[in-house]
Amino acid sequence: DSGVTQTPKHLITATGQRVTLRCSPRSGDLSVYWYQQSLDQGLQFLIQYYNGEERAKGNILERFSAQQFPDLHSELNLSSLELGDSALYFCASSVTSGKTDTQYFGPGTRLTVL
Amino acid sequence: GQQLNQSPQSMFIQEGEDVSMNCTSSSIFNTWLWYKQEPGEGPVLLIALYKAGELTSNGRLTAQFGITRKDSFLNISASIPSDVGIYFCAGRNSGGSNYKLTFGKGTLLTVNP
Repeated sequence: DSGVTQTPKHLITATGQRVTLRCSPRSGDLSVYWYQQSLDQGLQFLIQYYNGEERAKGNILERFSAQQFPDLHSELNLSSLELGDSALYFCASSVTSGKTDTQYFGPGTRLTVL
Repeated sequence: GQQLNQSPQSMFIQEGEDVSMNCTSSSIFNTWLWYKQEPGEGPVLLIALYKAGELTSNGRLTAQFGITRKDSFLNISASIPSDVGIYFCAGRNSGGSNYKLTFGKGTLLTVNP
């Protein structure tokens, strides 16, 4: 158990819908990272937040957005869903955001878009 | 963007055999990481490498940071059934304040008891 929690574990929805994925980082961790894992693209970095502020952006679509709240939990919002958005979404957290910080991954949310 | 080529894609070995897998990059990384992912779980960090040429062990696992900073390898000695999983390499650089990880596509390891 990494100490990072993600809900829900599974999510099935239809194209065009909007969903919210939630992540609670390890106690004391200020940085949260979101990743998407699909069979064809592998693990792709989406976005990072540090202490409530956006720190870095990766391959995140404009239909996707995220935020980190004052209690440090984070939410990833996916809208206008397409079939190709079906994937595992992982959240990771680290103490700060330094180059030697270990990122601890949550168990993921499996999103299926029908 | 940066790409990591990880090989082999999959391995099927007998218990007790040694395993080697590697990653190469088109560009330089300042940090190399190796993760293992089991079904239904998120990746778990196995070894972190921070200096070119660094050789680090974690039990039966050994990893090295290539001197060109464009490659890394992971060895597993005397494999056991619980080594089964997908092994990912990941590279990280420190462009500005961006410490994002770039992952390889993974090596699926199957160990036959």
